[in-house]
Amino acid sequence: DSGVTQTPKHLITATGQRVTLRCSPRSGDLSVYWYQQSLDQGLQFLIQYYNGEERAKGNILERFSAQQFPDLHSELNLSSLELGDSALYFCASSVGTSEGDTQYFGPGTRLTVL
Amino acid sequence: QKEVEQDPGPLSVPEGAIVSLNCTYSNSAFQYFMWYRQYSRKGPELLMYTYSSGNKEDGRFTAQVDKSSKYISLFIRDSQPSDSATYLCAMGRAGSYQLTFGKGTKLSVIP
Repeated sequence: DSGVTQTPKHLITATGQRVTLRCSPRSGDLSVYWYQQSLDQGLQFLIQYYNGEERAKGNILERFSAQQFPDLHSELNLSSLELGDSALYFCASSVGTSEGDTQYFGPGTRLTVL
Repeated sequence: QKEVEQDPGPLSVPEGAIVSLNCTYSNSAFQYFMWYRQYSRKGPELLMYTYSSGNKEDGRFTAQVDKSSKYISLFIRDSQPSDSATYLCAMGRAGSYQLTFGKGTKLSVIP
């Protein structure tokens, strides 16, 4: 158990809908990362937050957004969902003070868009 | 060309074999090199972490980094059925918190 929690474990929804994925980092970690994992693209970095502020952005679509709250949990919002958004979404956390920090991954949320 | 290339396998070996997993990369700015293990339907877990070139050993696992060749390897000695998983290489560069992952190699160790 990495100490990173994600809810829900599974999510099934329809095209055009909006969903919210939630992540709680390990105790003491200030940084949260979101990744998308699909069979054809592998694990892709989406976005990083550090202590409530956006720090880095990767291949995140405009339909997707995220935020980190004062209690350090983070939410990833996916809107106008398309079939191609079906994937595993992982959250990771790290201390965040050094670029070489170890990232610890949560168990993931499996999103299915029908 | 993708920044990180990893043979997806699948790779099937008998129990007790030595396993070699590899990644190549194109960005010479990468300085942090990691191997993650991912069991089916689970999140990736860090196995090995190496900074810059060289070798690192931890039990049955050895990670090697050759920056001159832009090539990293993970060796598993005396492989066990419990090693059956997907192995992901990951890399980070100075000035960035972002990791770039290979697509993963699926390993099966047959009893």
